[in-house]
Amino acid sequence: AQTVTQSQPEMSVQEAETVTLSCTYDTSESDYYLFWYKQPPSRQMILVIRQEAYKQQNATENRFSVNFQKAAKSFSLKISDSQLGDAAMYFCAYRGVGSGSRLTFGEGTQLTVNP
Amino acid sequence: KAGVTQTPRYLIKTRGQQVTLSCSPISGHRSVSWYQQTPGQGLQFLFEYFSETQRNKGNFPGRFSGRQFSNSRSEMNVSTLELGDSALYLCASSFWTGSTEAFFGQGTRLTVV
Repeated sequence: AQTVTQSQPEMSVQEAETVTLSCTYDTSESDYYLFWYKQPPSRQMILVIRQEAYKQQNATENRFSVNFQKAAKSFSLKISDSQLGDAAMYFCAYRGVGSGSRLTFGEGTQLTVNP
Repeated sequence: KAGVTQTPRYLIKTRGQQVTLSCSPISGHRSVSWYQQTPGQGLQFLFEYFSETQRNKGNFPGRFSGRQFSNSRSEMNVSTLELGDSALYLCASSFWTGSTEAFFGQGTRLTVV
């Protein structure tokens, strides 16, 4: 079974600074997808960024980028120029290609952005 | 276009009762997945429906069931409620099973007393 681990329950960052959230996963599959989701107090999960395992290039979406290390099974999220609106719970998630739409989530990291 | 709609937003039930939660996916989406979120267990996959058929099931007891209608709307039912069923239930919709992007609703907060 696949597992996803986020070892940082809480992180904080100063506004305009950069923060990196860590995620590791375990799988025997060679083809899969990885995601970072954000859950603000409104509780709605919002997709931040995704990475296809077959792509070596790290995904980037504006201020959000990932460091995908397939051999190390590591998938960290870097948030640049942090904004107050970035404060939320962040979840790392895994989906195997043969798993339909089933996502396996990590425990989450609560990010606080200090003004 | 409208997002994923879950109803009701909040629910309080008594132990032993049953409950039905509803999820209307984004128009055109045919896959609906359900997740349970609790402080202790985190986010856990319940099941996925695609074209009115259950495609995937998580490790939950048979008290948890679901269905999907021809318009892709989905319901999940929990019978004989237990205190431990208190959770946020999230629904996610995708174009089809295995789509690279899933869109989530705001969830139904179920409290069992």
